[in-house]
Amino acid sequence: ETGVTQSPTHLIKTRGQQVTLRCSSQSGHNTVSWYQQALGQGPQFIFQYYREEENGRGNFPPRFSGLQFPNYSSELNVNALELDDSALYLCASSLPSSGANVLTFGAGSRLTVL
Amino acid sequence: DQQVKQNSPSLSVQEGRISILNCDYTNSMFDYFLWYKKYPAEGPTFLISISSIKDKNEDGRFTVFLNKSAKHLSLHIVPSQPGDSAVYFCAADATTSGTYKYIFGTGTRLKVLA
Repeated sequence: ETGVTQSPTHLIKTRGQQVTLRCSSQSGHNTVSWYQQALGQGPQFIFQYYREEENGRGNFPPRFSGLQFPNYSSELNVNALELDDSALYLCASSLPSSGANVLTFGAGSRLTVL
Repeated sequence: DQQVKQNSPSLSVQEGRISILNCDYTNSMFDYFLWYKKYPAEGPTFLISISSIKDKNEDGRFTVFLNKSAKHLSLHIVPSQPGDSAVYFCAADATTSGTYKYIFGTGTRLKVLA
């Protein structure tokens, strides 16, 4: 059983640029969530994808967008990067069932915006 | 507005002793909670969960207690081991309208001294 894999692990961008982060979900999981973890903070929910559609969004602007593919892998795109977008971006997959929804996280992509 | 709070940023404990990590929440509608452990350069890994129908859940050396009236939960690790040194996050299930999401605390860094 493979876990959640994310790429790239680290990247540096400049303000105003665009970035795409990728995630392969754990085998058998059909739901992917993205979280942003700023320095010294806990992970914050960005959005979730289920059946290739966005299925809920946290308090993030539209320049944060995503995709989910038929194999349940996912991308997070951020346009017009700002300095405050510097953070660890975590992808989590899950197979929600009644009463339990344990997230399985990848190791994250650390984005630095200069 | 921090709905899940971990007020102790760090905790040091001697090997073999008990570690107690605390978490408070503000929303009485939260009914499912998880604890995650995070090592450097790795994603958070699921540790233990508790549903609001219980006040205690145990898994080996790890026990989580839930006090619904106080909106407080705690994670006990007995006995603590150096390998337990990590950042611990508590998270509350904030699922709404089919969007499965969690609200995380800011984490407590546990250091177990040999």
